[in-house]
Amino acid sequence: AQSVTQPDIHITVSEGASLELRCNYSYGATPYLFWYVQSPGQGLQLLLKYFSGDTLVQGIKGFEAEFKRSQSSFNLRKPSVHWSDAAEYFCAVGAGAGNNRKLIWGLGTSLAVNP
Amino acid sequence: EPEVTQTPSHQVTQMGQEVILRCVPISNHLYFYWYRQILGQKVEFLVSFYNNEISEKSEIFDDQFSVERPDGSNFTLKIRSTKLEDSAMYFCASSDSGVYGYTFGSGTRLTVV
Repeated sequence: AQSVTQPDIHITVSEGASLELRCNYSYGATPYLFWYVQSPGQGLQLLLKYFSGDTLVQGIKGFEAEFKRSQSSFNLRKPSVHWSDAAEYFCAVGAGAGNNRKLIWGLGTSLAVNP
Repeated sequence: EPEVTQTPSHQVTQMGQEVILRCVPISNHLYFYWYRQILGQKVEFLVSFYNNEISEKSEIFDDQFSVERPDGSNFTLKIRSTKLEDSAMYFCASSDSGVYGYTFGSGTRLTVV
């Protein structure tokens, strides 16, 4: 069955420190992978996506993610975290055929940033 | 930047009542979606809508749920007779290219009492 696992429910990092949020997926075909961020009271904003090609993808706000097929992972990274990055982060996989696919979501990782 | 607008932001309703959650997608988008997130649980797909019909619906989307695009601009989710377990944040999304580029609204928090 298609699924997404985010092993870390909550992570706290210090401002300026590097960040890696883990995501593992289970999907039979080539996955379409996404990271979304949700700040309090806000909607779900797309950070980055992977469909094919270069396995290291760049996103907004200085985030990047690397697709590793052998590990079924799509981890999100940022070299230096800012206080404004505190939010909920969701990994998702696009499931189905064609381009009208639904998203299957992980449970999310809540990021807190210490000053 | 174009936005998906959802109203109301928060709705409280009594069990058994009908609710309509409203969404105004981005004007040139063709694909529309509803998702929900029960507190503490994963975001779940409810339904996708394209070319004036439902493309796919989940097991959650039973006969109590319906969607409509009544006037070419709004996209509504109706729950006919709400249950306590319908309490959740409901997100609308639209896209001009399917899964390649969803834009989500800020959500409607539905509380059924």
